[in-house]
Amino acid sequence: GQQVMQIPQYQHVQEGEDFTTYCNSSTTLSNIQWYKQRPGGHPVFLIQLVKSGEVKKQKRLTFQFGEAKKNSSLHITATQTTDVGTYFCAVYDDYKLSFGAGTTVTVRA
Amino acid sequence: KAGVTQTPRYLIKTRGQQVTLSCSPISGHRSVSWYQQTPGQGLQFLFEYFSETQRNKGNFPGRFSGRQFSNSRSEMNVSTLELGDSALYLCASSPGALGGQPQHFGDGTRLSIL
Repeated sequence: GQQVMQIPQYQHVQEGEDFTTYCNSSTTLSNIQWYKQRPGGHPVFLIQLVKSGEVKKQKRLTFQFGEAKKNSSLHITATQTTDVGTYFCAVYDDYKLSFGAGTTVTVRA
Repeated sequence: KAGVTQTPRYLIKTRGQQVTLSCSPISGHRSVSWYQQTPGQGLQFLFEYFSETQRNKGNFPGRFSGRQFSNSRSEMNVSTLELGDSALYLCASSPGALGGQPQHFGDGTRLSIL
């Protein structure tokens, strides 16, 4: 089945700084989804990318789908304490949704 | 609109027992997927039900089974519980079949095996 590698596993960020998390696949993806899970909570859908080179923005979050549709990134600018949580990418393959290991973000005030 | 509802929220069982977890999807959603979340393995797909049919199953033993009713509510059953089954079990629903639709997750059932 589809495997997606997500890096880094942990990201410790100073409040106000930017950071990026990456999701990589060895095969071409039809689409990719991103979710956020707050500590003690459940995953919440953020965005879906479908087109090659697609870029979507949600306030301080910028999502990008690679030109070859084998990788994706989530960039957060001016990190806030509300950004704390684990960010997962997920890909659909063979009738199932496979999640990356996630990037757990902590913020230093 | 009410979200995805999972019951119970917490469950404690002993090895060898069996357990049934319930998931009520968002009204109008016909697909329900189940996931197991553990610190070591992350989020793992268990199975998806759409229109009362299991479309696919993840790499889990036959002790894990499920079903979906005509009102789209779903149950997951785990028999002969093992210590390694301790996990957060999440269900998610979507309007159509899995495959490019956002998944709406419930709060999960925290299962602890003693």
